[in-house]
Amino acid sequence: AQKITQTQPGMFVQEKEAVTLDCTYDTSDPSYGLFWYKQPSSGEMIFLIYQGSYDQQNATEGRYSLNFQKARKSANLVISASQLGDSAMYFCAMREGEGNTPLVFGKGTRLSVIA
Amino acid sequence: DSGVTQTPKHLITATGQRVTLRCSPRSGDLSVYWYQQSLDQGLQFLIQYYNGEERAKGNILERFSAQQFPDLHSELNLSSLELGDSALYFCASSARNGGAGPHEQFFGPGTRLTVL
Repeated sequence: AQKITQTQPGMFVQEKEAVTLDCTYDTSDPSYGLFWYKQPSSGEMIFLIYQGSYDQQNATEGRYSLNFQKARKSANLVISASQLGDSAMYFCAMREGEGNTPLVFGKGTRLSVIA
Repeated sequence: DSGVTQTPKHLITATGQRVTLRCSPRSGDLSVYWYQQSLDQGLQFLIQYYNGEERAKGNILERFSAQQFPDLHSELNLSSLELGDSALYFCASSARNGGAGPHEQFFGPGTRLTVL
């Protein structure tokens, strides 16, 4: 079974608008972490934001916020005030358990920002 | 710049050959992870080392092996290469070992391997 599901292969958003990228996850471990990474066309993987399973508040990092709905097992990334430079692949990933454990990635969503 | 370095950036080789990919983690990071990104399989975890010891194994083929050296750099060895091994290979590192917290992984720029 897929542990991380990203149902949107591609998304378009107008510059300066907000966009939500969907991510659902599946785990039976009560302790886990959820991550979002950005991969521009140059190929590098850039860490954006993290949400821990026990965190009471949704994570925010600048224009990025994470809409964490634990009961629904969803961790959607919200990008506010989109910029042309936000055009990239976005990956949702999960770490199960505590400590340094490997990440499981979704298939990604390609976001295109239109001027 | 994540602070993780990988060499070479590009590698083109023939089927049946053997190659070595090198990774230097961020200063002070003890954990190193190797991931493979291909069009059909997506991003897959291969193997993890912590302070020189193998910590976790993922979908790593028997033809592939890795090690982490005392200076904490790591090498991924790929042998008897096949066309399907063509992919982007990432190394990532993280700082802490146990306990709660993000333990976010910082990725290197990747090595793009093309097998002809």
